[in-house]
Amino acid sequence: DGGITQSPKYLFRKEGQNVTLSCEQNLNHDAMYWYRQDPGQGLRLIYYSQIVNDFQKGDIAEGYSVSREKKESFPLTVTSAQKNPTAFYLCASSSGVGYEQYFGPGTRLTVT
Amino acid sequence: GESVGLHLPTLSVQEGDNSIINCAYSNSASDYFIWYKQESGKGPQFIIDIRSNMDKRQGQRVTVLLNKTVKHLSLQIAATQPGDSAVYFCAEINYGGSQGNLIFGKGTKLSVKP
Repeated sequence: DGGITQSPKYLFRKEGQNVTLSCEQNLNHDAMYWYRQDPGQGLRLIYYSQIVNDFQKGDIAEGYSVSREKKESFPLTVTSAQKNPTAFYLCASSSGVGYEQYFGPGTRLTVT
Repeated sequence: GESVGLHLPTLSVQEGDNSIINCAYSNSASDYFIWYKQESGKGPQFIIDIRSNMDKRQGQRVTVLLNKTVKHLSLQIAATQPGDSAVYFCAEINYGGSQGNLIFGKGTKLSVKP
């Protein structure tokens, strides 16, 4: 099956800890994205990557970091500098920037 | 600034009726529009798209209408079913913009009453 996987589905962390969310795709897509979604809100872009070893900040990159060492993987690290990290995180990919994006199932992160 | 928004945050319809979800956009230069459906606790799923050189596009039970004069996008769902209950997002892309990424609206929650 082709698609995007995110793990874990639920994640709990203590305040002050860094946490890394996994995103893997086997669609052979060049572009990958991370979004944050808060209750009753739309999607806000955190980071995106157009190609391996390259990534760009989105609208709300502060407190987050990413890497793109492999085409199929785009992990997101939520650092202790992120002031309000509790949210639903969605990963997406597309054949290129500006094309239809395919979304993963999401990871719900709760920081207490 | 650029924005994508929705006229109605919630919509409740009777099973079997037609649903219309609206979206207003402010960037007249946007080239491509997508409707996504997001069920509770899941990632958004692509429903239908339309390019700026089109006025209408039909899929299975869904139709998207684009009115560039008033910068308005709508999603029509025929014979709405309980499985259609979800939040629907419109998204736009301006290929000539600084990022060329999707800009999402806040979403409309569709509730289907049996």
